[in-house]
Amino acid sequence: AQKITQTQPGMFVQEKEAVTLDCTYDTSDPSYGLFWYKQPSSGEMIFLIYQGSYDQQNATEGRYSLNFQKARKSANLVISASQLGDSAMYFCAMSRGGTSYGKLTFGQGTILTVHP
Amino acid sequence: DAGVTQSPTHLIKTRGQQVTLRCSPKSGHDTVSWYQQALGQGPQFIFQYYEEEERQRGNFPDRFSGHQYPNYSSELNVNALLLGDSALYLCASRVLTGNYGYTFGSGTRLTVV
Repeated sequence: AQKITQTQPGMFVQEKEAVTLDCTYDTSDPSYGLFWYKQPSSGEMIFLIYQGSYDQQNATEGRYSLNFQKARKSANLVISASQLGDSAMYFCAMSRGGTSYGKLTFGQGTILTVHP
Repeated sequence: DAGVTQSPTHLIKTRGQQVTLRCSPKSGHDTVSWYQQALGQGPQFIFQYYEEEERQRGNFPDRFSGHQYPNYSSELNVNALLLGDSALYLCASRVLTGNYGYTFGSGTRLTVV
């Protein structure tokens, strides 16, 4: 079974600063995918970034980067230059097989608040 | 290009009733998954449909059933509603053999009273 753990219920960051959201995972599958989603109050889950278990380099998408440490089973999200619009719930998720073929297993989420 | 469309956006039902939620996937997407998200929790996988068949199912009772139509749209049906079924129901679509990104809708917020 796959499990995602997000230990930070809430995080605060000053506008324009960087913030790291923690995510650890557990799986016995040799191939898996790791995702981060943003969920604003509207409810829609917005895809941010993806990391495959066999990817050698950490994934980056604009201001988002994923700090993938396979041996530690961690996949932390780093948001650089935080903006007020980044205030939302953030979910870490994983899938089997290195793609999103099949179900996503989500963590409990972290609420990020960006202060002006 | 429209994303995933879900209807209705909000719904209030009485215990014991039945409900049907609808999802139109993003154009070009052929796989639809449904998730239940209780307040303050992460989404939980209900099931996934591809080629009009249920391909995977999460740990949900048979009261939860679904359907996928030839145009890839999908329905989630819940029978004998319980208070604990109150949640945000999210639909997600993707191309089975395409890239890895799921596209989610904004969800249907179901309240059971």
